[in-house]
Amino acid sequence: QQQVKQSPQSLIVQKGGISIINCAYENTAFDYFPWYQQFPGKGPALLIAIRPDVSEKKEGRFTISFNKSAKQFSLHIMDSQPGDSATYFCAASIWTNAGKSTFGDGTTLTVKP
Amino acid sequence: GAVVSQHPSRVICKSGTSVKIECRSLDFQATTMFWYRQFPKQSLMLMATSNEGSKATYEQGVEKDKFLINHASLTLSTLTVTSAHPEDSSFYICSAREQNGYTFGSGTRLTVV
Repeated sequence: QQQVKQSPQSLIVQKGGISIINCAYENTAFDYFPWYQQFPGKGPALLIAIRPDVSEKKEGRFTISFNKSAKQFSLHIMDSQPGDSATYFCAASIWTNAGKSTFGDGTTLTVKP
Repeated sequence: GAVVSQHPSRVICKSGTSVKIECRSLDFQATTMFWYRQFPKQSLMLMATSNEGSKATYEQGVEKDKFLINHASLTLSTLTVTSAHPEDSSFYICSAREQNGYTFGSGTRLTVV
């Protein structure tokens, strides 16, 4: 049973465009939803995270939108840059045990100059 | 920010030998660390939770006798892949909880030949 479904699998965006990646979860007990950025050969790096008490969180060019009733959350990258080209993973967990995260399958983002 | 150092970054070993991977929290104490495994172009799968001073907790399907975890201090957890085989070749990543969330190490690429 896949608890976190991520889409699309790959995404190509022009420089300056908006990149949107979506995730859906099944476990209603999840209350911590981070997004990670991973470059080839490196470990994931936390990009931004959200708890269910808010519907949106913005940090610079990165925004998480959260829909609790639909059990969905998404990452928006505004003004996408070639340096944003990486694999992005969403994850979900219970905050008090957030080390045991369930990850989505990842989205490979390519930003064309 | 908090740093988790993982060593080595790459290792090649012969089939049947054992390999030890270290995960250190450099500027914080981590009573709990997590070990993940990632196959090429796939997501991260939690293997086990490493607890300082006590036995590790393994996820279903992970062989505890093959993947030995030791968490002898508040800043060091080790994963030993025993009697490694080519199918154990993978990217192994550790993570630890720090003040602002969970930080991942840079990963270890294990190749068993």
